[in-house]
Amino acid sequence: EIVLTQSPGTLSLSPGERATLSCRATQSVGSNYLAWYQQKPGQAPRLLIYDASSRATGIPDRFSGSGSGTDFTLTISRLELEDLAVYYCQQYGTSPFRFGQGTKLEIK
Amino acid sequence: EVQLLESGGGLVQPGGSLRLSCAASGFIFSNYGMSWVRQAPGTGLGWVSAISATGGTTFYADSVKGRFTISRDNSKNTLSLQMNSLRAEDTALYYCAKYFSITSPRPFFDYWGQGILVTVSS
Repeated sequence: EIVLTQSPGTLSLSPGERATLSCRATQSVGSNYLAWYQQKPGQAPRLLIYDASSRATGIPDRFSGSGSGTDFTLTISRLELEDLAVYYCQQYGTSPFRFGQGTKLEIK
Repeated sequence: EVQLLESGGGLVQPGGSLRLSCAASGFIFSNYGMSWVRQAPGTGLGWVSAISATGGTTFYADSVKGRFTISRDNSKNTLSLQMNSLRAEDTALYYCAKYFSITSPRPFFDYWGQGILVTVSS
């Protein structure tokens, strides 16, 4: 089973800064089948990135995904106040299709 | 517009059963795999179960295997989750979620319902 560990647990940054969120897998994620989701308070999750680096429809190009194998990164350039949320990675290459524990992004 | 509407949640005693349903609209339901994802209060997302577009293939998290059963009725555009032998740790908001793609049917999700609360307590 693949376990995903996200870091840091909490990230506090100012508007306009760059956020770098990490997701590390205990074994290689096949075909880079890794997604990133954003969950704002009181809302359902929203798909941001799939296949490690493809942006979902309607997602601003401030959001980008990279990585392969066991190490993946979500980068948010030029943070905005609306980016306040918890961000989760998920692998969908091998069952169980687990999520990471999340990174909480705080905007100063 | 894609809509996913969960129902069937509520309060149940430990060891009891509950059946969740998800009514889908706005897309060709029979073309897409579907899944259940849960979120315990104040915690992160937990994948529960998934089912292929035809219903012929199912997947389960180890924590629910043997207790939960996922199913679908493509004639009624409905996804279900039968939950038996419920435990306190099953208490969560349960989301119904739609697979992103027909052509590459992998369980990641572009549409989610608003969730239905299941509380397991005596």
